[in-house]
Parts: sequence; C-alpha cells; structure tokens
Amino acid sequence: AQSVTQPDIHITVSEGASLELRCNYSYGATPYLFWYVQSPGQGLQLLLKYFSGDTLVQGIKGFEAEFKRSQSSFNLRKPSVHWSDAAEYFCAVGPPRDYKLSFGAGTTVTVRA
Amino acid sequence: EAGVAQSPRYKIIEKRQSVAFWCNPISGHATLYWYQQILGQGPKLLIQFQNNGVVDDSQLPKDRFSAERLKGVDSTLKIQPAKLEDSAVYLCASSLSLSGELFFGEGSRLTVL
Repeated sequence: AQSVTQPDIHITVSEGASLELRCNYSYGATPYLFWYVQSPGQGLQLLLKYFSGDTLVQGIKGFEAEFKRSQSSFNLRKPSVHWSDAAEYFCAVGPPRDYKLSFGAGTTVTVRA
Repeated sequence: EAGVAQSPRYKIIEKRQSVAFWCNPISGHATLYWYQQILGQGPKLLIQFQNNGVVDDSQLPKDRFSAERLKGVDSTLKIQPAKLEDSAVYLCASSLSLSGELFFGEGSRLTVL
C-alpha cells in the first residue's frame, strides 16, 4: 500500500526567508511523486512532479523538490518566500504511469511580513 | 481553456437528506476522478472513471454514495442518506488519460448538520 506522511502540520515563515516542507512516503518501488498547492477556496494546483531521472526537480513559482530514495523523502523547497505563497501544500504519491494518488494530510504555510 | 467546473460550490443539508454534486471536466479529458477532502486531511480518492466506465471505486462507500458518468463527459456524485461525517469538500479532477496530469476543480463544500 502507498502512503504519505507530512510531519509538519503548520509552518510560519517570514517573507524573504527560505522554506522547506517535508514529505516521507511509503511505496514498494519507485513511485510517482507530486507536490500540490491549494489556496483558500481553490482547487489543487500541481507545483512539480518526479517520475525518474534527475532527483532534483524544478517546478512552478520558484519551487524545487529533491527525491531521496534512501530516506523515502521528497522535500519541497523555496529559497525566498513571497506573501502569496501562503497556502496549504500537499505531497502525493502514485504508482508508475497511474495518477491514482494518495495524499498526505498537508502542511499549512503562513507567511509573516 | 476552461477548467474543471463543479457545482454547487456550497451545500448545507440535514443528516439523512440527500445531495448531488456535478462535475464538468476539461473538454477531451477521458479520465475523471472524485476525491473527498475532510477538514485537516488530504484528499482521498473515491472513484475513478475512464470515459463512462468505472476504473476504481474501491474507496467509495457504496451503501450511501453513488456516482455516474453516463455519456463519458459530465459526472454526478450523490450521497443518500448523508451522515455528519460526510461533511467535506468534494473535489473533481480530470486528465487526458489514466497516465495524464490531473486538473482539479475548485470543489463543492458539503456541511451536514
């Protein structure tokens, strides 16, 4: 069975500071990995995805994530946070070539001025 | 290009009443998903359609939930009778194929009193 753990329920970060959101997954082989962002009242938007190859993947809005097989992790990072990055972030895992995703519980990011 | 449309955006009902949610996917998208997102949790897959056929409904509580996609385009998710624990946001997503990126609608928020 596949599952995702996001250890941090809520993170507060100052505008301009760096951000790292943690994600650990459980899956029998190399899965497809995703990060989504959800702003209040909005649907989920795909930030980035990892299928194979280079373990550092670039996404939209200046986000990047690194796949570490040995740690079963796929952490999301952004070097400098903007106020508009305040949202809820979800890590998700799915079997290869299938978007039947399992989501983590999410991390809420608050950005302070 | 129009996104995934869902209605109604908000619905409040009493327990034991029934409710229906509608989803219109992006034009040409063969695969359609319904997810349930309970407050404080990540989205959970309820059902996956490929055209007008069900691919996976293993997580759908079939004693009270039903979904259809009769002509392979629009879809309806019904809950009858509703329970308090059904209070959630119901997200519809679509993709070009089973292995295609998901695009989410804004969701339908259900409150069961």
